[in-house]
Amino acid sequence: QVQLQQSGPGLVKPSQTVSLTCGISGDSVSSNTVAWHWIRQSPSRGLEWLGWTYYRSKWFHDFAVSLESRITINADTAKNQFSLQLSSVTPDDTAVYYCARGSEFGVLIDDWGQGTLVTVSS
Amino acid sequence: DIQMTQSPSTLSASVGDSVTITCRASQTISSRLAWYQQKPGKAPKILISKASSLESGVPSRFSGSGSGTEFTLTISSLQPDDFATYYCQQYKSYWTFGQGTKVEVK
Repeated sequence: QVQLQQSGPGLVKPSQTVSLTCGISGDSVSSNTVAWHWIRQSPSRGLEWLGWTYYRSKWFHDFAVSLESRITINADTAKNQFSLQLSSVTPDDTAVYYCARGSEFGVLIDDWGQGTLVTVSS
Repeated sequence: DIQMTQSPSTLSASVGDSVTITCRASQTISSRLAWYQQKPGKAPKILISKASSLESGVPSRFSGSGSGTEFTLTISSLQPDDFATYYCQQYKSYWTFGQGTKVEVK
C-alpha cells in the first residue's frame, strides 16, 4: 500500500514561493511504471491538475499550461520524495494542495497525500 | 482542453435509494474516466477506473458505465457512509475533473 506524506508551510506571503514536499513509502519515486502528480483544490477552481514528473530512463516533467511559467516539480531519489514549487503566488493560489501517484504508467491517479492547505496572505 | 460536466450538482437521497450521477466530456475520451469520492477534509478516493472497473476494496453497490462522452456512476443502495461529494475525471488528455456532485441526506 502506497502512502504519501506531505509537508510544507501553510501560510505564504504574496509574491513568494510555495514549496511542498511529498514523501513516498511503499513505492519508488524512480519507478518506471508510475508517475507523481500535484493537484490543488479550491472553491473557485475545483480540482485542478498542476503537473507531474516521472522516470523512464531519464526524468520527464509536464505542467498545466496556465502555470508553466511559475511551477517546478523535482524528484529526490535519495529521500524517495518529490516536491512542488510555485513562484510569484497571489491570493488566487490559495488552495488545498495534494500530491498523488499515477499508476498504469502514470495516467491513473489512484493514491493521494493528505493535502496541505496553503493560504496566500500578507 | 477537455471539459467535464457533471449533473446534478446536488442530489438529495435517503439510505437505501439508488442514485445516478452523470458526467459528460466535451470530446471523446474513450473509457479513460475515473470516479472519486471525497469526504470533508479528506483527499479524494478512487472508486472506479476505465469507466466501469471497480477498484479494489470498493463495495459492489458502486458501478460505472459509459464510453465516448457520456458516463454514469450509480450507487445501487445508498448507505450512510456514501453521503459525500463525487467527482468524475478524464485521463485521456492530461487530467480534468468535473465540478462535483454532492450527495446529501434528504
